[in-house]
Amino acid sequence: QVQLVQSGAEVKKPGASVKVSCKASGYTITKFGFNWVRQAPGQGLEWVGWIKTYNGDTNYAEKFQGRVTMTTDTSTSTAYMELRGLRSDDTAVYYCAREYGGYFEFWGQGTLVTVSS
Amino acid sequence: EIVMTQSPVTLSVSPGERATLSCRASQSVSSNLAWYQQKPGQAPRLLIYGASTRATGIPARFSGSGSGTDFTLTISSLQSEDFAVYFCQQYEYWWTFGQGTKVEIK
Repeated sequence: QVQLVQSGAEVKKPGASVKVSCKASGYTITKFGFNWVRQAPGQGLEWVGWIKTYNGDTNYAEKFQGRVTMTTDTSTSTAYMELRGLRSDDTAVYYCAREYGGYFEFWGQGTLVTVSS
Repeated sequence: EIVMTQSPVTLSVSPGERATLSCRASQSVSSNLAWYQQKPGQAPRLLIYGASTRATGIPARFSGSGSGTDFTLTISSLQSEDFAVYFCQQYEYWWTFGQGTKVEIK
């Protein structure tokens, strides 16, 4: 069965970087894209960006451009999202999600990133 | 960016009653619209895609309708496990989510 397992919670200081991983199993990673979505405490869902696993093409939401990098390691079936220049308002749960046909059928369990001095 | 607006923000419904949730897009998204359910502490769960197709394992009491800019998610007879937050999402042009509708027990 399809599973997406994310790395554990992180606590970072303002200005630091964080790299969250998402390990896929139960399917061939190159057949589907990955999206990253975040959710600030008590807030809604915010799309961060997308990576086409097959060739590494990416598209990031405008507000994150220049601060985010998404990559994949097909040898380990793992997707990564790195966010730099962290601010307090980056505190959120970050989710990876498998995309096919546009919608997000499978989601990781989420990774809480806390930015605090 | 396509803006998605959901209404109402909160919907109070008694178990067994019908719930109707709305989602409006700032421009046409054709039928490229999905609905997700999220419970506290959990990841979102896909309910509907293509505006009206139920995802695998989703009960028939959930139905979606609409196209273009106006969409509806209907839960025909609310069960206790259906009290949650519901988000719509467009995937016509990249991706954006609505702000969510919380369905609470009346």
